[in-house]
Amino acid sequence: NAGVTQTPKFRVLKTGQSMTLLCAQDMNHEYMYWYRQDPGMGLRLIHYSVGEGTTAKGEVPDGYNVSRLKKQNFLLGLESAAPSQTSVYFCASSPLTSGLPHADTQYFGPGTRLTVL
Amino acid sequence: AQKVTQAQTEISVVEKEDVTLDCVYETRDTTYYLFWYKQPPSGELVFLIRRNSFDEQNEISGRYSWNFQKSTSSFNFTITASQVVDSAVYFCALSELLAAGNKLTFGGGTRVLVKP
Repeated sequence: NAGVTQTPKFRVLKTGQSMTLLCAQDMNHEYMYWYRQDPGMGLRLIHYSVGEGTTAKGEVPDGYNVSRLKKQNFLLGLESAAPSQTSVYFCASSPLTSGLPHADTQYFGPGTRLTVL
Repeated sequence: AQKVTQAQTEISVVEKEDVTLDCVYETRDTTYYLFWYKQPPSGELVFLIRRNSFDEQNEISGRYSWNFQKSTSSFNFTITASQVVDSAVYFCALSELLAAGNKLTFGGGTRVLVKP
């Protein structure tokens, strides 16, 4: 199993450009998440999904949109990139094995390093 | 709101020394889950351990050990006989149950540098 994969690994954008980050997981996990990591800080939740066709806002959702059309994929979109969105983006997934979502471990992808000039 | 504090931003040790990473958390939940993740220089996040709030037994796994104390809201992590490969950033995280799903609240991380 590949686990959680992210595409692309690196990207440089100009202010105002748009792009989509792709996350894929092959573990049949119900939940998927997008986080961002900024220097000296832990990860912060952008958006998440509790199942195919459902998404919800996290802690820092402004400037981002997401979609989960297939259970295994979770897309993060930037419609008009800004320098403040320069960050490392991590996707994660978790199963729903215990009936308590906050009990299940989140498994992370390798990250996408995005620079907005 | 939940909060996780890792007061040590960076720790430097010489190989074979022990190193302890502090983690203090705040939550109003009576049942909660705590995690430690490792982020090596390659950048990925590697899951190390999960602990629930009603199990205060300390745990040892190889050179790693964890000390969970609910009375002081702390979940500390010790690496015994450190090795160069232990050099990484270590994150403590607290899981919060949302209306649907959950989220992890991370501490700021502690960078561990193990010198040969």
